[in-house]
Amino acid sequence: EPEVTQTPSHQVTQMGQEVILRCVPISNHLYFYWYRQILGQKVEFLVSFYNNEISEKSEIFDDQFSVERPDGSNFTLKIRSTKLEDSAMYFCASLRGTTINEKLFFGSGTQLSVL
Amino acid sequence: GESVGLHLPTLSVQEGDNSIINCAYSNSASDYFIWYKQESGKGPQFIIDIRSNMDKRQGQRVTVLLNKTVKHLSLQIAATQPGDSAVYFCAENRAAGANSKLTFGKGITLSVRP
Repeated sequence: EPEVTQTPSHQVTQMGQEVILRCVPISNHLYFYWYRQILGQKVEFLVSFYNNEISEKSEIFDDQFSVERPDGSNFTLKIRSTKLEDSAMYFCASLRGTTINEKLFFGSGTQLSVL
Repeated sequence: GESVGLHLPTLSVQEGDNSIINCAYSNSASDYFIWYKQESGKGPQFIIDIRSNMDKRQGQRVTVLLNKTVKHLSLQIAATQPGDSAVYFCAENRAAGANSKLTFGKGITLSVRP
């Protein structure tokens, strides 16, 4: 089965530093997403991305966050100035089409630790 | 506010028994529901889904039941195996395509005793 690939699997950074989390969605998918999961809590939607622009974002996704699809295969999440509360598992996901009951495929996540 | 939530944080079952995981949702306009399984160190994996125009759907060893009257969703796992040990999330998808976003419940840990 095709996979969404995320790198790195773990990222440790100092508070105030910039981090970029990388994702390679499934090749024929058109819709891309970032979710996060704080330890012990539920998975939360951050942002959706289609046709090279943000479709929807949550209130978590403030001005410190940005997403980019720099080429035909990568999809990145940047946090400009990390805070302690940004520590979480970040999941990338992708979706092929537009029907409501298509599967959303998740990557294995990047565990971000802000010290 | 709208929410999708799970009743119990943990569930322990004997290997071979059937497991039932329950979930409540609050938005009566919700149209599509999904169960995800998350194993340690991995992202959520799709298990089974159901549209609001159905009340039951079966997969391999899994069945999802939807009761719209009481806004309740359940996942039944037949003959639970050690490999079923994971955290299970119910989720709601309110729109298709570019606006598609999942609202997840809090998660319940299923532990299978040998």
